[in-house]
Amino acid sequence: LAKTTQPISMDSYEGQEVNITCSHNNIATNDYITWYQQFPSQGPRFIIQGYKTKVTNEVASLFIPADRKSSTLSLPRVSLSDTAVYYCLVGDPRQLTFGSGTQLTVLP
Amino acid sequence: NAGVTQTPKFQVLKTGQSMTLQCAQDMNHNSMYWYRQDPGMGLRLIYYSASEGTTDKGEVPNGYNVSRLNKREFSLRLESAAPSQTSVYFCASSEGGTNTEAFFGQGTRLTVV
Repeated sequence: LAKTTQPISMDSYEGQEVNITCSHNNIATNDYITWYQQFPSQGPRFIIQGYKTKVTNEVASLFIPADRKSSTLSLPRVSLSDTAVYYCLVGDPRQLTFGSGTQLTVLP
Repeated sequence: NAGVTQTPKFQVLKTGQSMTLQCAQDMNHNSMYWYRQDPGMGLRLIYYSASEGTTDKGEVPNGYNVSRLNKREFSLRLESAAPSQTSVYFCASSEGGTNTEAFFGQGTRLTVV
């Protein structure tokens, strides 16, 4: 399984764009990159999945460089309700292994 | 459409007691998972089932057993509970294959005294 490294915490202000980077130097050819969001006392919620280049949906974008050894989750114009823990998952899609995540705090 | 339903929501056990956590999904998903989450920590995979009839160990399987009863249901059993198993347990399901979008239940808060 590819191990991931993320910042432990990040602060941002309302209205700003937030970029959270995840390192995964040992990513395998068949591995996918997935990001989840978790609020306190709730199960995680899927944000976005990608394999290479750029993926965008209604809530976020995922940037993956050609070597796939890192990825960046981009959240446009965050609000207070985006305060949560964000997890980067890399590896066998059958196992969905979570790391320790990044605590994002959005300040007014 | 209920999604993923876990029962019970809360449980207190004495050391050595056994119990089964139930999980059911109504999305016709192939894959199901059990996780535990300790305070301030990330989720750790206990067991997963990539398809009906198969189960595999995750990161922390010791002290647990699972049963994929049918495509809808995936149960987690603690045969002899220990205080170290005090945690919040989440069940999840996904279509499987290369789709990594999983849907989670509301969690079971288990305390072992």
